[in-house]
Amino acid sequence: EAGVAQSPRYKIIEKRQSVAFWCNPISGHATLYWYQQILGQGPKLLIQFQNNGVVDDSQLPKDRFSAERLKGVDSTLKIQPAKLEDSAVYLCASSSTGTSQAFFGQGTRLTVV
Amino acid sequence: SQQGEEDPQALSIQEGENATMNCSYKTSINNLQWYRQNSGRGLVHLILIRSNEREKHSGRLRVTLDTSKKSSSLLITASRAADTASYFCATVPGNKLVFGAGTILRVKS
Repeated sequence: EAGVAQSPRYKIIEKRQSVAFWCNPISGHATLYWYQQILGQGPKLLIQFQNNGVVDDSQLPKDRFSAERLKGVDSTLKIQPAKLEDSAVYLCASSSTGTSQAFFGQGTRLTVV
Repeated sequence: SQQGEEDPQALSIQEGENATMNCSYKTSINNLQWYRQNSGRGLVHLILIRSNEREKHSGRLRVTLDTSKKSSSLLITASRAADTASYFCATVPGNKLVFGAGTILRVKS
């Protein structure tokens, strides 16, 4: 079974630029999560999808962050414009219906300079 | 917001010793999970305990859950150098998956 795929693995951008991350969940998994993990902290939930609908985005800074999950499969997370404090690892995870056990991708390490 | 809080923040032990990490949380939950994260990698699920369970075992892992105290503990027995990692508890209030700040475990060989 293929795992959760994320790209790119690393990204360095200047502040005020835009950036996009891509995630391909495990096939058949209805739930998809995006987390932000700042160095030394636990993952913080940004947005949770159930198929292509948003379940929770209460901690997503909507003035600069956006996410979509077209056709209930792949997902993209965008930041525009980026700030220095957005430097973090962005983790995508998925889980199947009926279980909350999540499978994580390797993450995208974003550095904003 | 972080739902769970792990204790201690960091733990250093000798290979072969047992490691115990604790997690406290605030709201009612459906289940509680523990994950491991090696440096620079994604999180890996270790074990899930449901709210109506008190103890669960998986290999060298033992998890307990006390819903009256809103706390859980993870015990790793006979630790190995390869157990060096960050360990996170994750609670499921409703249908969200919320992580704590984690415990950094270092096992010295």
